Amino acid sequence: GAGVSQSPRYKVAKRGQDVALRCDPISGHVSLFWYQQALGQGPEFLTYFQNEAQLDKSGLPSDRFFAERPEGSVSTLKIQRTQQEDSAVYLCASSLWGSPQETQYFGPGTRLLVL
Amino acid sequence: GDSVTQMEGPVTLSEEAFLTINCTYTATGYPSLFWYVQYPGEGLQLLLKATKADDKGSNKGFEATYRKETTSFHLEKGSVQVSDSAVYFCALKSGGSNYKLTFGKGTLLTVNP
Repeated sequence: GAGVSQSPRYKVAKRGQDVALRCDPISGHVSLFWYQQALGQGPEFLTYFQNEAQLDKSGLPSDRFFAERPEGSVSTLKIQRTQQEDSAVYLCASSLWGSPQETQYFGPGTRLLVL
Repeated sequence: GDSVTQMEGPVTLSEEAFLTINCTYTATGYPSLFWYVQYPGEGLQLLLKATKADDKGSNKGFEATYRKETTSFHLEKGSVQVSDSAVYFCALKSGGSNYKLTFGKGTLLTVNP
């Protein structure tokens, strides 16, 4: 596709439920990023992949968060045993290589509400 | 660590007014600087960027100049339109961790006709 796509766009989960959020990056983009955006805040970095390798997961808030990109294209962010504080918009971005000057292209986000 | 401080909003202007949104940063090395915009109901879009000191990024009438001496990257537009109403985010990628973006909290701009 022309841009980064994410699904689902909205997800309502009951506390304790597991969720999986999908990201399809721009075709051919090596680098993929996940960010978390709380209401009224700027996005915060969660994790970074270069191809299938997860090079940085320092932003994942707890061991309930897990991300993968097994074939170096589509990525899934999984949250186990969701908590209310996990409610946020989860943004995926991709860039061609990941160099400092490159633009990161963002998807529309998945809005997660945990009840 | 890296950080970005943006002018707090919301900012409300009349059409054709002059816009400035201040942004200052703290970073390792020589960062690349970005302004992203989020229109209502849409995703983040790159508005402009600058990758070295004294560079000026520009797009859609918006400008920002990378000022290393003041660690600033203020966003300006000479004459805003109603369609510019959005949330604006200043962001950086530093030399220390040159792949992830560090964002400010965002500034909501509302332009009235």
